[in-house]
Amino acid sequence: GAVVSQHPSWVICKSGTSVKIECRSLDFQATTMFWYRQFPKQSLMLMATSNEGSKATYEQGVEKDKFLINHASLTLSTLTVTSAHPEDSSFYICSARRGTYNEQFFGPGTRLTVL
Amino acid sequence: DQQVKQNSPSLSVQEGRISILNCDYTNSMFDYFLWYKKYPAEGPTFLISISSIKDKNEDGRFTVFLNKSAKHLSLHIVPSQPGDSAVYFCAASVGQGAQKLVFGQGTRLTINP
Repeated sequence: GAVVSQHPSWVICKSGTSVKIECRSLDFQATTMFWYRQFPKQSLMLMATSNEGSKATYEQGVEKDKFLINHASLTLSTLTVTSAHPEDSSFYICSARRGTYNEQFFGPGTRLTVL
Repeated sequence: DQQVKQNSPSLSVQEGRISILNCDYTNSMFDYFLWYKKYPAEGPTFLISISSIKDKNEDGRFTVFLNKSAKHLSLHIVPSQPGDSAVYFCAASVGQGAQKLVFGQGTRLTINP
């Protein structure tokens, strides 16, 4: 149990285009989902926290207009990188919290490359 | 400001021996700590956690020790196996609700046969 999937697993796009990444909890309902970003050989940095049916809470320094987060259901959250630039190239990972469990369950990540 | 630090970027251990991964934190409000294991191109998987009311938690080959006065925690893996080779992240949060997790930089563990 507690499986989280992400789609796509990797994506290459041209500068200026938008890319949508999906995060799904496959066998549980996730009231809260989190989006992280990881640069090579660095730590996971929390970008935003999304609760089902409400607006996402963004961490300091993360542009909410550039990284659009939607958590429309208890099993799906999406991250849209708008007007992507090469510096947005990174590994994006989502996680989901199941009920009152303390740990977060992570998706496999999405490698975004912006040309 | 790096609130959670893993000062060793890499560690190499012989199979069968003990692996000890260390983590330090600066925020005294942190009261819940977790260790995650991560393979390349995959998301982290939860290993073990510890609350600040304890100083030790054990699960099979994995034991986490917490020294609150030193703001230090460590993960012991005994005996180490080749499949343990991965990047290990420690993470901390305020409260057990696992809302905002702050991660360390990770330590790459390599188990040599």
